Amino acid sequence: QSVLTQPPSVSGAPGQRVTISCTGGSSNIGAGYHVQWYQQLPGTAPKLLIYGNTDRPSGVPGRFSGSRSDASASLAITGLQADDEGDYYCQAYDRSLSRWVFGGGTKLTVL
Amino acid sequence: QLQLQESGPGLVKPSETLSLTCTVSGDSISSRNYYWGWIRQPPGKGLEWIGSFYYSGSTSYNPSLRSRVTISVDTSKNQFSLKLSSVTAADTAVYYCAVAFCGGDCYPPALYYYGLDVWGPGTTVTVSS
Repeated sequence: QSVLTQPPSVSGAPGQRVTISCTGGSSNIGAGYHVQWYQQLPGTAPKLLIYGNTDRPSGVPGRFSGSRSDASASLAITGLQADDEGDYYCQAYDRSLSRWVFGGGTKLTVL
Repeated sequence: QLQLQESGPGLVKPSETLSLTCTVSGDSISSRNYYWGWIRQPPGKGLEWIGSFYYSGSTSYNPSLRSRVTISVDTSKNQFSLKLSSVTAADTAVYYCAVAFCGGDCYPPALYYYGLDVWGPGTTVTVSS
């Protein structure tokens, strides 16, 4: 089991909005450690989508946004596109484990 | 533009040592602006952080792997390496090297604001006799 909990799968139709949750605890997100989000398209390396809970690297479309509240974080994707299909991972630091931790990943299907 | 490329044997025998190298191009591995790391992904599973280092020489390892992991740097070749000893089938995975651009602010807790901006394509390592 992952330290950060994500739903195994989410789906949405093209043009719709979907959100992916990431639930942590008092030693990671709840302790104030920032959350990162990564997109992994089939057969490729992960790509950074969000860092610092809400910030986007240059080149990442504004359709992707992050938020954090208490011990949880969310990734929202608006205007869903077919090439958004893939796996999405959240990541943070855990002070009890003394390591960077990832969520188990969420598979996004565009219907 | 920073680019990373992993290299190393694709097949390692159980109980032996896995050795991988990450070659960096586009900037110096000695720069204070970057925090370098190794991450792996077993087949069909999620991501696991293995360890990281900073140009100052400080290293950090996943406690569950610490007794078997060593990360080293060769500044003359602009490369960093991963050694994982006493491997078993559970170490079969795609291994990625990656880097966070932290602009000189690469010490905790500021470090944890940043994400891994650039990743290598990954290299598959299978542990089997």
